[in-house]
Amino acid sequence: EPEVTQTPSHQVTQMGQEVILRCVPISNHLYFYWYRQILGQKVEFLVSFYNNEISEKSEIFDDQFSVERPDGSNFTLKIRSTKLEDSAMYFCASDMRGYNSPLHFGNGTRLTVT
Amino acid sequence: SQQGEEDPQALSIQEGENATMNCSYKTSINNLQWYRQNSGRGLVHLILIRSNEREKHSGRLRVTLDTSKKSSSLLITASRAADTASYFCAMEEYGNKLVFGAGTILRVKS
Repeated sequence: EPEVTQTPSHQVTQMGQEVILRCVPISNHLYFYWYRQILGQKVEFLVSFYNNEISEKSEIFDDQFSVERPDGSNFTLKIRSTKLEDSAMYFCASDMRGYNSPLHFGNGTRLTVT
Repeated sequence: SQQGEEDPQALSIQEGENATMNCSYKTSINNLQWYRQNSGRGLVHLILIRSNEREKHSGRLRVTLDTSKKSSSLLITASRAADTASYFCAMEEYGNKLVFGAGTILRVKS
């Protein structure tokens, strides 16, 4: 069964550095998402992406964050000037049609900012 | 804004017993979904129930939705040790954003 894959599984970075989290969504999916989960807390929506542009973003997704689909397969989340509070699990997800369809999640990237 | 609240926060049962988790939400939804998360892993979709549906089954899972009360429940029958995980409800608002509840930690003892 096709899967959403995320790399790396764990990223450690120093405060102030930039990180890029990578995702390969399922190949015939059209809608892509990033969510994050701070340890012990809720899964929070960050951003949705369709047709090479952001379709919706949360208050968390400020100018520090950006997303890109640089080619036909990858979907990336860039976090500039990381802060300690950015430490979390970041999940990529994709689905076929953007409504009334289940999301397929990757296993996440654990980001640790020191 | 949408908020999903789940109860109980944690549930510990014996293998073979049924587990029931509840979810409440605030605003109108397109559908409600349930996901499972094993420790340190991604979320796995379990079941989706649309706003015009009242009950849905999938194997040992039974989900109900009461839009008048803005609530849903997930029942896992004849639980197994392998069902030990966190379970999340997620509300799809009109648009394509999923808003997750805080989750229920289920522990099934063998």
